[in-house]
Amino acid sequence: RKEVEQDPGPFNVPEGATVAFNCTYSNSASQSFFWYRQDCRKEPKLLMSVYSSGNEDGRFTAQLNRASQYISLLIRDSKLSDSATYLCVVYNFNKFYFGSGTKLNVKP
Amino acid sequence: EPEVTQTPSHQVTQMGQEVILRCVPISNHLYFYWYRQILGQKVEFLVSFYNNEISEKSEIFDDQFSVERPDGSNFTLKIRSTKLEDSAMYFCASSTEREVELFFGEGSRLTVL
Repeated sequence: RKEVEQDPGPFNVPEGATVAFNCTYSNSASQSFFWYRQDCRKEPKLLMSVYSSGNEDGRFTAQLNRASQYISLLIRDSKLSDSATYLCVVYNFNKFYFGSGTKLNVKP
Repeated sequence: EPEVTQTPSHQVTQMGQEVILRCVPISNHLYFYWYRQILGQKVEFLVSFYNNEISEKSEIFDDQFSVERPDGSNFTLKIRSTKLEDSAMYFCASSTEREVELFFGEGSRLTVL
């Protein structure tokens, strides 16, 4: 079983739409959780850390469900510039594990 | 804003040659990492480095690979006897503490012919 699993997408949504991604992780002892954004042929960039209580940063909301071992990312009012691949990252036992990413295409 | 810098941005080499990829992590960071991403695939962990020694390495990181922190700022990845399948983007990353977010450099694209 993979450490981190994501739906690869692509999610094709119109501007202004709300879109949600989920990610599941296999190790219940995982300690830290993050969402990164990666544009084509660029480096991953931190979007937000995910805290147990959930957290929000502008149009982005992240949730952690430890009981079910999944993390979610909600993007409201999608912009064209949100088009990218969103990577779920989980830290445990001295390693960061990356999901394969979920591709988002926001269309005008 | 402080950033991780990597050189070269692109290197083309012949199979069997040795390459050295260089990274300058963010200055107050203590944990350093190399990751690899083959085109179209996921980001894969290679190695982590702390306190001048390797703290973790993946099964990919075999004897062909080595890392070094030759001075107080540089962190290098050496790939000996490159193979075609080593062609990938290599990302350096650093962090202040063990479990907190990673900051990535822009990557070094390695093409092995």
